[in-house]
Amino acid sequence: QSVLTQPLSVSGTPGQKVIISCSGSDSDIGFNYVCWYQQVSGAAPKLLIYRNDQRPSGVPDRVSGSKSGTSASLAIGGLRSEDEGQYYCAAWDDTVNSWVFGGGTKLTVL
Amino acid sequence: DVQLVDSGGAPTQPGGSLRLSCVASGLSFNSYAMNWVRQAPGKGLEWVSAVSSAGGHTFYSDSVGGRFNISRDNSKNTVSLQMNSLRVDDTAVYFCVAARAVASLYPFEYWGQGTLVTVSS
Repeated sequence: QSVLTQPLSVSGTPGQKVIISCSGSDSDIGFNYVCWYQQVSGAAPKLLIYRNDQRPSGVPDRVSGSKSGTSASLAIGGLRSEDEGQYYCAAWDDTVNSWVFGGGTKLTVL
Repeated sequence: DVQLVDSGGAPTQPGGSLRLSCVASGLSFNSYAMNWVRQAPGKGLEWVSAVSSAGGHTFYSDSVGGRFNISRDNSKNTVSLQMNSLRVDDTAVYFCVAARAVASLYPFEYWGQGTLVTVSS
């Protein structure tokens, strides 16, 4: 069972916007930054968002992140077929001095 | 371009040992903390271990502490994970991952391609 809670799946049609939630606690999301990773077809994950809402170079601005209290969200607008894959949130946990991940959310573009 | 090349994964029996290695290129290796993150078949990501950029600090998840040992050789741009007393639930693809430091400020920036460890009798 993952420390951070994500929905198992979300879906949308091309051009739509989807939001993936990530719920944690004070010891992880509450007092630390949240990151988001995308994994496509079992390949190595790719960093999408860091420090709650920052995009690395190369990540389009239709991808955005936010955090409030012990929850975070990843929004992907203007959905495209290549957005299909697994999305994971992650945060440092002060209680166990470890990185913790969400269980992952499968995004399907219908 | 940054490249992390993982190796060392293999089939092994419960109670056995394996040593994973990761060779980095294209980045200032001694400026990065190195991590191992694993993914069991059909499951999500799990952080396993980290070592600071100079090697002086190491971190382990509760699930592997006392059994795994992470080390690095900055002269060879290499990080290793010595895995002992392996269990069936250690079966996973292990990814080598670089981050600026072991802290929430610094995400997992670069990932290796992964190496498969299979523990089975």
